[in-house]
Amino acid sequence: DAKTTQPPSMDCAEGRAANLPCNHSTISGNEYVYWYRQIHSQGPQYIIHGLKNNETNEMASLIITEDRKSSTLILPHATLRDTAVYYCIVRVAFSGGYNKLIFGAGTRLAVHP
Amino acid sequence: GAGVSQTPSNKVTEKGKYVELRCDPISGHTALYWYRQSLGQGPEFLIYFQGTGAADDSGLPNDRFFAVRPEGSVSTLKIQRTERGDSAVYLCASSLGGGDSYEQYFGPGTRLTVT
Repeated sequence: DAKTTQPPSMDCAEGRAANLPCNHSTISGNEYVYWYRQIHSQGPQYIIHGLKNNETNEMASLIITEDRKSSTLILPHATLRDTAVYYCIVRVAFSGGYNKLIFGAGTRLAVHP
Repeated sequence: GAGVSQTPSNKVTEKGKYVELRCDPISGHTALYWYRQSLGQGPEFLIYFQGTGAADDSGLPNDRFFAVRPEGSVSTLKIQRTERGDSAVYLCASSLGGGDSYEQYFGPGTRLTVT
């Protein structure tokens, strides 16, 4: 299974962009990069995922390097409600095709006024 | 619409007792997952159901843990002879199917405390 490396914590000022990095140097060609976040006392929440191309949705943007060894999750205008633990996950691909998520320790993002 | 629900939200039990944790997935979701999260760590995969069958139970820590999903909807995680080390938040997630593109929707979890 490809492992991910994330900084344990980051700070961001409210209204500024939050850029959360993730290294996944052993990723395989058919493995996706997923991002989830977990706000205190809640279950994890899906944010975005991608394979090769950059992706954007209403929550965030995902930038994947050309060699796919690293990626960055961008929250364009962070708010206090974005304070959470952010998990970068490389999907384990089984022949059954199911989505077994392997979570690391994540990055604890603190958004301050 | 209704999300994934889990009951109870909190459960305190004595060492050696039996507990059952319930998960109600989103209606129509065929895939169901159980995870366990210890304090300060990310969730850890326990078991995956596709329909009624457990397709992957490789994350169950030992034979004291068992899960069922008899009608392909509600699932129950059962823990026998509980130990203090079983204390954690137990999370349930469901998705439309098992494939690559199906995101998982998580419930709020059940906080289990074994005294």
